[in-house]
Order: sequence, then structure tokens, then C-alpha cells
Amino acid sequence: NAGVTQTPKFQVLKTGQSMTLQCAQDMNHNSMYWYRQDPGMGLRLIYYSASEGTTDKGEVPNGYNVSRLNKREFSLRLESAAPSQTSVYFCASSVRTGDQPQHFGDGTRLSIL
Amino acid sequence: AQKITQTQPGMFVQEKEAVTLDCTYDTSDPSYGLFWYKQPSSGEMIFLIYQGSYDQQNATEGRYSLNFQKARKSANLVISASQLGDSAMYFCAMREYVYTGANSKLTFGKGITLSVRP
Repeated sequence: NAGVTQTPKFQVLKTGQSMTLQCAQDMNHNSMYWYRQDPGMGLRLIYYSASEGTTDKGEVPNGYNVSRLNKREFSLRLESAAPSQTSVYFCASSVRTGDQPQHFGDGTRLSIL
Repeated sequence: AQKITQTQPGMFVQEKEAVTLDCTYDTSDPSYGLFWYKQPSSGEMIFLIYQGSYDQQNATEGRYSLNFQKARKSANLVISASQLGDSAMYFCAMREYVYTGANSKLTFGKGITLSVRP
């Protein structure tokens, strides 16, 4: 059972380049999330999608866009990468928002030079 | 203001002993939930335990239990009989509703590093 799959696992970009991080879940979950994790900061929510067809901003949405392509897939796009976006990015999903635990992917380590 | 506070420095515990990891939270919402996640050095986030604000009893999951003190706004994780594999970063997170009864999101603390000594 794959759970939440993120691609790629590692990526190095130059400042100004664009990139899309892919996330897919096979658990038939309604809600999906994108977080970033920086040293000493814990996880911060970038965007989330409570259900197919909806997306909402989280705590740190600036510089990012998202697309909920279908129930399974939720992508995160950096239109013009900046060094401040160097981070580890996690995708997560849950049955719905609320009391259900979120299941996380393995993360994407992104470096912006 | 921080909604989730995890202020302990790196924690150390002897194998087979119990350890408590502290978490305090701040919310004015009467309905909320508290989660604990484990992040080993390999990087994945693993859900451990959940406590709802209206739950009458403290949550337990195997060797994990949550010492929930609502009046003090604390939700400490207790790991009994520590194992070497418990060495990891531990995150406390709080679920709050974004809109009335509609959606909710998690806010994470900064984490606590636990090292289990043989």
C-alpha cells in the first residue's frame, strides 16, 4: 500500500526557475495538504484542499500555487523559485479535515541556489 | 503568539525507562484536537496519538499515552518503556477549525528531539 507518494525526492533549482512538486494518495482521502519544514521551525502549512475542487491558503502561501487535479492528486508549484524557498516539502492527506490523522509522504528536499 | 509550544531542549532517556515530552497550547476555540507525530532521522512523519478536547479520558496507543490537562492547556506525550527506535524528533500539533464547523487545519510546534541511550 503506497499511501502518499511525492515526486521528486530531491531537486536543486536556480533562482528564478519554476518547478512543480507532485503528490498522489491512494487512500481515497478527501483532504490534502502541503507543508514546508525548515530547521527549528516545525511544519508550516502552505496550502490545503479540503475536498476535490477546493483549495485554501495556509500559513505561508506566498510564492506558491496549488492545483487539486482530482481526488488523488495535489500539486504544488513554485513559479519563480527563491533561495528562501529552500526547504523540505511534505504532502499529506486525511479522510477529511478535522479529527482524522494526516498521513504524510516521505518529503521532497528542495534547494534553491 | 505561538499556538503550540514545545520548549524542552534535547531530551535523553535510558532504554526501558519512561519519558514525558511537554506540549502546551493556546486556543479560544472550545472544540480542538491535539496530535503527536514522530519524525525519525529518515525523515518521514508518523502519526502517534490523538486527543480531542471533549474526550473524557486520556488517549492511549500502545506505549504512548497523552497526559491531557485541559485547564493548564497542556498535552504531554508519555512514552513508556523507551526503546532505541524511539530516538527521533517529536511534534505536537493542534487542530483548530478555520470556519465554523467546516474545515480545520493543523498547527505544529517546533518539535523536541529525544535520544534513547542503551
